[in-house]
Amino acid sequence: SQQGEEDPQALSIQEGENATMNCSYKTSINNLQWYRQNSGRGLVHLILIRSNEREKHSGRLRVTLDTSKKSSSLLITASRAADTASYFCATDVSSGNTGKLIFGQGTTLQVKP
Amino acid sequence: GAGVSQSPSNKVTEKGKDVELRCDPISGHTALYWYRQSLGQGLEFLIYFQGNSAPDKSGLPSDRFSAERTGGSVSTLTIQRTQQEDSAVYLCASSLGVAASGNTIYFGEGSWLTVV
Repeated sequence: SQQGEEDPQALSIQEGENATMNCSYKTSINNLQWYRQNSGRGLVHLILIRSNEREKHSGRLRVTLDTSKKSSSLLITASRAADTASYFCATDVSSGNTGKLIFGQGTTLQVKP
Repeated sequence: GAGVSQSPSNKVTEKGKDVELRCDPISGHTALYWYRQSLGQGLEFLIYFQGNSAPDKSGLPSDRFSAERTGGSVSTLTIQRTQQEDSAVYLCASSLGVAASGNTIYFGEGSWLTVV
């Protein structure tokens, strides 16, 4: 079963609107990261939030983390057509010595001009 | 190099043939990861290297899949006797240290494999 699951699977909004994507996970984590992927190419790191942090900002991005609910959200404010992409959350696993990140299925965001 | 480099970028192979996919990580990055992504799907973890050893190879789908890393740098993912279900994008990534310590992982552009 997936460690991370994004919701919604697909989101379509108008330019200028805000986009919110959610991620849920199952096991305890050290940190959670959000990545962006354009048209099946390589992923680009957006932001990392540690398990002892509740909120983090980077430009038009705002990430929240609720470890009690094992969930995170990514908010993109004032969206632009160039924000059209797939967005993935990725979590590590805090127990054991595994170094891997486990990715969710992603949210496909379409921003209409 | 400046980023993670993967080759070939595209590969079409006949069912039953072996393929090798190469990954050249960012210089100095000790951790290296292989993921697989089928069309429209999320990323499926395959294997993770720390240096030349693979502490976690739990994601390799079958014994047809193997990977090695030499000199703490270049890695090769080998798929033997390819099947059509192996068709996917194979993504390599590297990081300065383990992801669990909060290190960002940097992805290559992927190798698109099509098995016909």
